Amino acid sequence: QIQLVQSGPELKKPGESVKISCKASGYTFTDYAMNWVKQAPGNGLKWMGWINTQTGKPTYADDFKQRFVFSLETSASTAYLQINNLNIEDTATYFCTGGMDAWGQGASVTVSS
Amino acid sequence: DIQMTQAPSSLPASLGDRVTITCRASQDIGNYLRWFQQKPGKSPRLMIYGATNLAAGVPSRFSGSRSGSDYSLTISSLESEDMADYYCLQSKESPLTFGSGTKLEIK
Repeated sequence: QIQLVQSGPELKKPGESVKISCKASGYTFTDYAMNWVKQAPGNGLKWMGWINTQTGKPTYADDFKQRFVFSLETSASTAYLQINNLNIEDTATYFCTGGMDAWGQGASVTVSS
Repeated sequence: DIQMTQAPSSLPASLGDRVTITCRASQDIGNYLRWFQQKPGKSPRLMIYGATNLAAGVPSRFSGSRSGSDYSLTISSLESEDMADYYCLQSKESPLTFGSGTKLEIK
């Protein structure tokens, strides 16, 4: 069955970077775009953007154009989200989702000094 | 950007009740509407796609409907396992936008 398995929780300081992984299995990786969704504590879901798994071209929502990078390692069926220059407002759970249908379990990022 | 106005934000209900959650789209989204269920500490689960289609494994007490720009998720007879947060999502155009969510809780 389709599975997306994300990396574990991260505790970072402001100004640091973090890279979250999302490994897909149970389907052909390039069949579905990979989307990323942010959920801050106690808040709703916010779409961050997506990466075309065939071409590697990322598309970012306006709020995520500056410090966020989507990338792929297609040979490993893995997508990555990197967040640079972390700030407190980046504290959240980040979900990867294949085509917005299958979802990873979420990766928690806590930013604290 | 397309705004999805979801109501109510909180819905106290009793087991066995029929409940309905609604999202109104600010622009035409056709049937590019999904509904998700999210339980605490878990990832969202797809319930309805294409506005009216039940996702695999979803109980038949769930249904989706459309009336113009209003999209509804209905649970015909509430069960305890249905207590969760529910979100709509439009995928007609970028940026994709979610509704603000509905917390379904026991009255």
